This record gives sequence, C-alpha cells and structure tokens, in this order.
Amino acid sequence: NAGVMQNPRHLVRRRGQEARLRCSPMKGHSHVYWYRQLPEEGLKFMVYLQKENIIDESGMPKERFSAEFPKEGPSILRIQQVVRGDSAAYFCASSRSGEGESPLHFGNGTRLTVT
Amino acid sequence: KNEVEQSPQNLTAQEGEFITINCSYSVGISALHWLQQHPGGGIVSLFMLSSGKKKHGRLIATINIQEKHSSLHITASHPRDSAVYICAVKITGSARQLTFGSGTQLTVLP
Repeated sequence: NAGVMQNPRHLVRRRGQEARLRCSPMKGHSHVYWYRQLPEEGLKFMVYLQKENIIDESGMPKERFSAEFPKEGPSILRIQQVVRGDSAAYFCASSRSGEGESPLHFGNGTRLTVT
Repeated sequence: KNEVEQSPQNLTAQEGEFITINCSYSVGISALHWLQQHPGGGIVSLFMLSSGKKKHGRLIATINIQEKHSSLHITASHPRDSAVYICAVKITGSARQLTFGSGTQLTVLP
C-alpha cells in the first residue's frame, strides 16, 4: 500500500522556466493538500483540492502558480516563469476526507532549486 | 502573533533524557497534529488529537482544549529522535487543512 508519492524528488530550473510538481495521493484518498516550506521557515498551506475541484486556494500566490487534481492521474502544482524566491520544498499530503479527524499522510516532498 | 506557537525553538538533550515540546494556539480547533521532519526527508504524522492523551511507543501527546495547549513528550530519548517536531492545527470551520507552528529542532546527543 504505497504512501503519498511525489516526484520529482529534486528539481532544478533556471529563472523563467516552468516547474511541474506531481503528487499521487494514497489509494482511496480523494483530498490533496499542497504546502510550501521556504528555507529556514515553517510550512505554509498553499491549496486544497478534491478530484476536479479546488476547495481552498487562499495560500497560493496570485500569479504564476496553479494547481489541479484531475479525475485521472496525479495532482499537479505548476509554477510558471520561476524566480529564485520560488526555491523551496513543496510537500503534498492526502486524506480520505476533508474533516478535521481524518489523518493526513505526507509525501517526501519536492525540493525545487531555481538558479 | 502567530496562531500556533511552539517552544522551545531549539532543544538539545542527552540520550535517555525525558523531553517535552510545547504548543499553544489562539484559535478554535477541531484537531491538532504532531509531525516529525528529518533533515532532507519527508514529514511523518506522529499524532492527531482532539482531546485527552495518546501514546505510541516512547512518544506521548496530550492536549488541553480549555487552555489551548498541547505537549509532546519523548521518554528515554535516543539520537535517532533528532528531528524537527512540528505542531499543526485544523482551525474550526476552515476548509484549510492545517496551520503550522514554526517547529522545534531537537538534537539528542549520544
């Protein structure tokens, strides 16, 4: 029973390129959350998705960032025209339901480096 | 002021010591999580609490809803316990899943 799978584990992009981060939730989980951890800072919520729906994107920067969770396939966090300030660890988590009592399972993260 | 405050920020202990990490929050919550993050590694969920106390091996987590406070205890600490421990809360009525404390860096020396 595979856990939350994120890929790639490490991603290097030059300024102006696009970064695509993938997250496959645990089997049976239809709720996905993306978090960002900037260097030397704590985790911050970015976006909460269910299949084909964005539930809460209040933590997403207004420009260049988008997320989707299609009916088939992994959830994708897309960052267009990356800048150095986007360098961070991006974590995905999944849960069976969106209720507070539902356990969260985290992936190992994608470390994005923008050069 | 952050909604979730952890103390201490850094903690160094000798192997075998009893360790306590504290978490205070200022909002109504439906659940509180304790997470563990190893250097360069992923995040592991240790506990999810809405009341009382939970125990798993050498780890114990408690929560006092009235005082808006939770503690994570580690008994007979070991160098492999060295990690960042993060407190996170699910705010009542918020679709947002988890608001995080800044973490406690624990180092256990042999």
